[in-house]
Amino acid sequence: NAGVMQNPRHLVRRRGQEARLRCSPMKGHSHVYWYRQLPEEGLKFMVYLQKENIIDESGMPKERFSAEFPKEGPSILRIQQVVRGDSAAYFCASSPYIGELSEQYFGPGTRLTVT
Amino acid sequence: KQEVTQIPAALSVPEGENLVLNCSFTDSAIYNLQWFRQDPGKGLTSLLLIQSSQREQTSGRLNASLDKSSGRSTLYIAASQPGDSATYLCAVKRNTGNQFYFGTGTSLTVIP
Repeated sequence: NAGVMQNPRHLVRRRGQEARLRCSPMKGHSHVYWYRQLPEEGLKFMVYLQKENIIDESGMPKERFSAEFPKEGPSILRIQQVVRGDSAAYFCASSPYIGELSEQYFGPGTRLTVT
Repeated sequence: KQEVTQIPAALSVPEGENLVLNCSFTDSAIYNLQWFRQDPGKGLTSLLLIQSSQREQTSGRLNASLDKSSGRSTLYIAASQPGDSATYLCAVKRNTGNQFYFGTGTSLTVIP
């Protein structure tokens, strides 16, 4: 059973371009979470999705950021018109269900650099 | 709002020593608490998950305890090895919502 997969692992974008980050959850997992880790800071929750639904986007910036988890295919985190402050490591996690016993399994992350 | 603090921020010990990493959280209404390891430039590896009704969990040389009422958890590492060098993160899931709240981590260096 492959783990959580993220691609690309490294992404360089110029200011104003769009960044698309992909996350394939573990097989059988229908819950996906995105976190951001800024340099020298801890991981911060961004958004929680189930298939075709955004459940909690309370950690997502109101502008330029969007996320989806379609019925088929990976979850996508999209950042429009990137700025230098978006440079960070973006981690995706998945879990098979929610609740007290639910562990989150993390992908290797996508490191976004905005030049 | 849940806030998670980890002390110390960095720790350096000689190989073979036993050590304790600390995690504290402000809201005791939690579902569970998970300890992770993060190697430089890499993702997170889950080490232990403690449910809110549990007091401790053990895996090999690792033992994690949870005192929900005081908002504390400790990760005990026995007989440390250089391969244990990494950043250790504590994450708490509240019983409302599904997100984890992370501490900023303890950077551990085990000197051979």
